Amino acid sequence: DTGVSQDPRHKITKRGQNVTFRCDPISEHNRLYWYRQTLGQGPEFLTYFQNEAQLEKSRLLSDRFSAERPKGSFSTLEIQRTEQGDSAMYLCASSLGDRIHEQYFGPGTRLTVT
Amino acid sequence: AQTVTQSQPEMSVQEAETVTLSCTYDTSESDYYLFWYKQPPSRQMILVIRQEAYKQQNATENRFSVNFQKAAKSFSLKISDSQLGDAAMYFCAYRSDDKIIFGKGTRLHILP
Repeated sequence: DTGVSQDPRHKITKRGQNVTFRCDPISEHNRLYWYRQTLGQGPEFLTYFQNEAQLEKSRLLSDRFSAERPKGSFSTLEIQRTEQGDSAMYLCASSLGDRIHEQYFGPGTRLTVT
Repeated sequence: AQTVTQSQPEMSVQEAETVTLSCTYDTSESDYYLFWYKQPPSRQMILVIRQEAYKQQNATENRFSVNFQKAAKSFSLKISDSQLGDAAMYFCAYRSDDKIIFGKGTRLHILP
């Protein structure tokens, strides 16, 4: 396993469309995190999973956003009815247990909403 | 709420010189982790160095070292012998329970 992977790397969509991103964590990592990074800002926490359970969601995660990790392995992040303000880099990270201080990041999915 | 502040949006340093990036944070906790992450252009975020608050000794990783001043809530990163590959966004970050809070970043330019 070479690290956290994310797909797609880039996504351009029209306003109002739905998009889904995938994250594959490091195989033995049971925690998975989603962050959003807008231009000129640091990453902001969105949500995280321990195995298949979603344990915390930020208030940034509006009801148009939903994240799943059905089998405790890969995770998907869906954005419904995209808005221009959703344009950002969506980062995924994983860690082993609560060793968040050893969190590894994926390359991110850059979303552009036109 | 914990906050992380990086007051230098951009910095430049001559290759082979030393540069220090500043970071301050606010917390009421006594034990915590602090981090510096590097994000090269179009590449993924990687951990540069971390510091556990209960350790008085400043962390070092090769050319990277920190100056951790717990009372002042200051956590600066020193890069020695700067190299072209050090050009990147650098984020100071704080562990808050089960998430990491990031500063806005400092873009570091290396001048050849």
